[in-house]
Amino acid sequence: DIQMTQSPSTLSASVGDRVTITCRASQSISNWLAWYQQKPGKAPNLLIYQASSLESGVPSRFSGSGSGTEFTLTISSLQPDDFATYYCQQYNSYPYTFGQGTKLDI
Amino acid sequence: VQLVQSGAEVKKPGASVKVSCKASGYTFSDYIIHWVRQAPGQRLECMGWINAGNGNTKYSQKFQDRVTITRDTSASTAYMELSSLTSEDTAVYYCARVGALHFDYWGQGALVTVSS
Repeated sequence: DIQMTQSPSTLSASVGDRVTITCRASQSISNWLAWYQQKPGKAPNLLIYQASSLESGVPSRFSGSGSGTEFTLTISSLQPDDFATYYCQQYNSYPYTFGQGTKLDI
Repeated sequence: VQLVQSGAEVKKPGASVKVSCKASGYTFSDYIIHWVRQAPGQRLECMGWINAGNGNTKYSQKFQDRVTITRDTSASTAYMELSSLTSEDTAVYYCARVGALHFDYWGQGALVTVSS
């Protein structure tokens, strides 16, 4: 199975900050990577697919980049609603695997 | 698009559980449905998927011997049954629809608690 490793595991930030989360794959996954946001007690919500494509309805302050084994999710100006846990997921080969999550808190 | 899952379950060790996922707002048989679980404090974990159109399935090797995924096209519903439950199977179980390879819609989750 492809291992996905996110860093950092926890990130403290303030409203208005620019933050970046990194996701590394144990082998090349081309650009078959998605980012999800999850709030407590809720299902994950798709933000980014194919490494850099913004899902419809997701604010433009979210952006993704990378290919191969290294990827980033950037939030350009944090808003109060953005404090949540973020997961990357590879869908290059089954079983699709997720990172351990990055908890973004105030 | 909505995926509505069945409710929380409490099961004893060794029992089986069957979780449903009812789809609406799209043509059920045109998409693949995945099952994903999240144990407390753990990362999300893919269990398997079903092609709602032809019924083909694929399971993660970790769950291969214990999981069965089925669908009822007349009810637009997918099912995930997990057998030989242990306390390590205590988790929230999600269904998710595959858009263009990625998961674009998720069910609300179903908590399964395994306890004697």
